[in-house]
Amino acid sequence: EVQLLESGGGLVQPGGSLTLSCAASGFAMSSYGMNWVRQAPGEGLEWVASITTSGDDTSYRDSVKGRFTVSRDNSGSTLFLQMNSLRAEDTAVYYCAKDGSVTALYKFFNYWGQGTLVTVSP
Amino acid sequence: EIVLTQSPGTLSLSPGERATLSCRASKSVNSNFLAWYQQKPGQAPRLLIYGASSRAPGTPDRFRGSGSGADYTLTISRLEPEDFVLYYCQQFDNSFTFGQGTKLEI
Repeated sequence: EVQLLESGGGLVQPGGSLTLSCAASGFAMSSYGMNWVRQAPGEGLEWVASITTSGDDTSYRDSVKGRFTVSRDNSGSTLFLQMNSLRAEDTAVYYCAKDGSVTALYKFFNYWGQGTLVTVSP
Repeated sequence: EIVLTQSPGTLSLSPGERATLSCRASKSVNSNFLAWYQQKPGQAPRLLIYGASSRAPGTPDRFRGSGSGADYTLTISRLEPEDFVLYYCQQFDNSFTFGQGTKLEI
């Protein structure tokens, strides 16, 4: 059974840093791209970052470029999101999500974690 | 960046009725890169449809995805009580974007 378990969320002051982790199990994580998606309270879904299987390529939404870094440890089946210079508008539940296809033929997320809440407030 | 506009924002129907949810893109999307998700309160999103029309494992056959180019539709043929939740479309074109969601309410 595929499982994604996020951790590391919490309350942080504006300008602070936080690192999220996502422990993957039930599949060969090294074979799939991985992603972070966030959802502000009462709002819709917002893609944050993606990383390829090897970790060589990463992509980010504009509002987090230069502040967030996505990385992965395939040997430990863990995905990370290092978040620096946090702002109030980064307050959200952060989900990790698994690519649904091993090829580039399709693009979608077929498994999601339960999410971890990040609150940026003085 | 491609913008996805979902309509209506809220759809009020009754169990047993048919629901039609729209997702319109600001420019043409590769249909292989169009997906639909369902989100229940307090839960993570769940994949329903990928490749515009392929049902994910476990998706009931009352859910049907269709469309091409810039216009896509999620149809729920006979609404069950558990279907009255939130639905999002998603596309990929250099980056991922989501629609703002459609809330299906009784």
